[in-house]
Amino acid sequence: DAKTTQPNSMESNEEEPVHLPCNHSTISGTDYIHWYRQLPSQGPEYVIHGLTSNVNNRMASLAIAEDRKSSTLILHRATLRDAAVYYCILSPPPQYSGTYKYIFGTGTRLKVLA
Amino acid sequence: NAGVTQTPKFRVLKTGQSMTLLCAQDMNHEYMYWYRQDPGMGLRLIHYSVGEGTTAKGEVPDGYNVSRLKKQNFLLGLESAAPSQTSVYFCASRNARGAGNQPQHFGDGTRLSIL
Repeated sequence: DAKTTQPNSMESNEEEPVHLPCNHSTISGTDYIHWYRQLPSQGPEYVIHGLTSNVNNRMASLAIAEDRKSSTLILHRATLRDAAVYYCILSPPPQYSGTYKYIFGTGTRLKVLA
Repeated sequence: NAGVTQTPKFRVLKTGQSMTLLCAQDMNHEYMYWYRQDPGMGLRLIHYSVGEGTTAKGEVPDGYNVSRLKKQNFLLGLESAAPSQTSVYFCASRNARGAGNQPQHFGDGTRLSIL
């Protein structure tokens, strides 16, 4: 299974944009890229996902490299509530199981400074 | 909107005891998952189910059993708890429609300590 590599931690000032990188150099052509975040004492929360094209939603933007070997989650204006662990996850298509499984890495702990 | 509900939220067991963790979802999702998360690590898949009456092994299934007798419920059992099973357990569900673009919805976890 393809793996993801993320920095262990990052810091950002409040109200400034944050770019969270993820490397997935062994990604397959049909693997979706999902981003989740996990606040303290909570379960992971869906942020955004994409396959090949850049994506925007109300929470964030996802920029996917042309060769798909890396992606970047962009938070346009970080707030204190965005402090969390952010996971970049690959979701390969099912081969034998009939379901898409997530492969979690260790994530990036984002600290937002007031 | 309840979403995915896990019970209990906390539990302390002694080595060798058994228990069952319950996951309930009200979104009519076909797929359900059980993960464990150890300190400083990402989530690892224990077992999953693609529909009522079906279960399959994930990445770390040893020491656990599961059952999916009803579509909305997914139970995780520990027959003989071991200290190595001290962890936070998360349940998730997702819609079967579509491809890999369907997100998983997670509960808030069960914190289990085994002494």
